[in-house]
Amino acid sequence: GQNIDQPTEMTATEGAIVQINCTYQTSGFNGLFWYQQHAGEAPTFLSYNVLDGLEEKGRFSSFLSRSKGYSYLLLKELQMKDSASYLCAVREGDYKLSFGAGTTVTVRA
Amino acid sequence: EPEVTQTPSHQVTQMGQEVILRCVPISNHLYFYWYRQILGQKVEFLVSFYNNEISEKSEIFDDQFSVERPDGSNFTLKIRSTKLEDSAMYFCASSGQGLGIQYFGAGTRLSVL
Repeated sequence: GQNIDQPTEMTATEGAIVQINCTYQTSGFNGLFWYQQHAGEAPTFLSYNVLDGLEEKGRFSSFLSRSKGYSYLLLKELQMKDSASYLCAVREGDYKLSFGAGTTVTVRA
Repeated sequence: EPEVTQTPSHQVTQMGQEVILRCVPISNHLYFYWYRQILGQKVEFLVSFYNNEISEKSEIFDDQFSVERPDGSNFTLKIRSTKLEDSAMYFCASSGQGLGIQYFGAGTRLSVL
């Protein structure tokens, strides 16, 4: 089985930084993904971690600690368009992604 | 930029009917997936498909469901005898490698009445 936890909602101000945490307990681990999903749209790939450490990609960074079963997504210089749901997903085996329930981020002016 | 294309965007059907959801994966991708998301719930894996056969499936993917790659570009999900609880957004995804990044289509919203 799998358990992937992330906060339900977060609110931040335009220009600020927000960190979305994800903890997981899965039977296997073959990488952790972060996706962005606007309401009614497809999940869009943001980042991927398979080794411990920080991956930076423009305004978005993602961190992984496999020993702690923990990841975070860091969004810097927040913009209004960043208001969306952010999904943490773990690949346990070769194919299947198991998703968390998502964190809805609201960016205020 | 290459993308996964799904049709139709919205499908309405009567309970008990069969539906076919269609997907055109990214052209050089070899691995294909179906996921679903019931309104307000998390994205759930249904099935993965490689080399013309199912490579993995979830408990949700029972005999009511089937997948097919009828030609070199399309990938379909068939749901037989639809039930009210099949109402959901169905996402198709594809990846270039088995351990590669999965790219999602915009989804088909299935409404079973």
